[in-house]
Amino acid sequence: EVQLVESGGGLVQPGGSLRLSCAASGFTFGNYWMRWVRQAPGKGLEWVGSINLDGSAKNYVDSVKGRFTISRDNANNSLFLQMSSLRVEDTAVYYCARASFGAADFWGLGTLVTVSS
Amino acid sequence: DIVMTQSPLALPVTPGEPASISCWSSQSLLHSNGNNYLAWYLQNPGQSPQLLIYLGSNRASGVPDRFSGSGSGTDFTLKISRVEAEDVGVYYCMQALQTPITFGQGTRLEIK
Repeated sequence: EVQLVESGGGLVQPGGSLRLSCAASGFTFGNYWMRWVRQAPGKGLEWVGSINLDGSAKNYVDSVKGRFTISRDNANNSLFLQMSSLRVEDTAVYYCARASFGAADFWGLGTLVTVSS
Repeated sequence: DIVMTQSPLALPVTPGEPASISCWSSQSLLHSNGNNYLAWYLQNPGQSPQLLIYLGSNRASGVPDRFSGSGSGTDFTLKISRVEAEDVGVYYCMQALQTPITFGQGTRLEIK
């Protein structure tokens, strides 16, 4: 059974940093692109970024470029999102998702990041 | 960026009746490989999104056959042949032809 479990969310002040993790199981992690998607409270879905199989290629939505970094550890079946210079508008539930045939076919339950003073 | 537009934004439906959601993209989602990089998701209340349809018309594993996706290029449709109570939630279309990957605004389906 495919499982994705996010962790690392919490309350952080504007300008602060946070590192999210996503533990994957039930599939060969290194065979899939992975994505982070976020959802602000009461709002729709927003793609944050993607990473390729070996971590050599990454892309991001413009609003997080230069502040967020996606990485992965295939040996430990883990995906990460390093977030810095956090803004109030980064407040959201952050989901990790597996990419397949262009779609995100499995999602985690998400972890809430709240940026507030 | 490719803009995704859904209609309607709210959809009240009587159980057992059909429902249809439209999604338009500002650019064609048809890849040179012949696939449309369009997916549909359902987010039940309080839950994570779940994949319903990928590549425009392929039902994801475990998705009931009352859900179907159609369309090509810039116009796409999600149809539910007979709505059930468990279908309540917000439906999103998403394009993955190019980055940034973008979602529609969402369509909230409610039971009458």
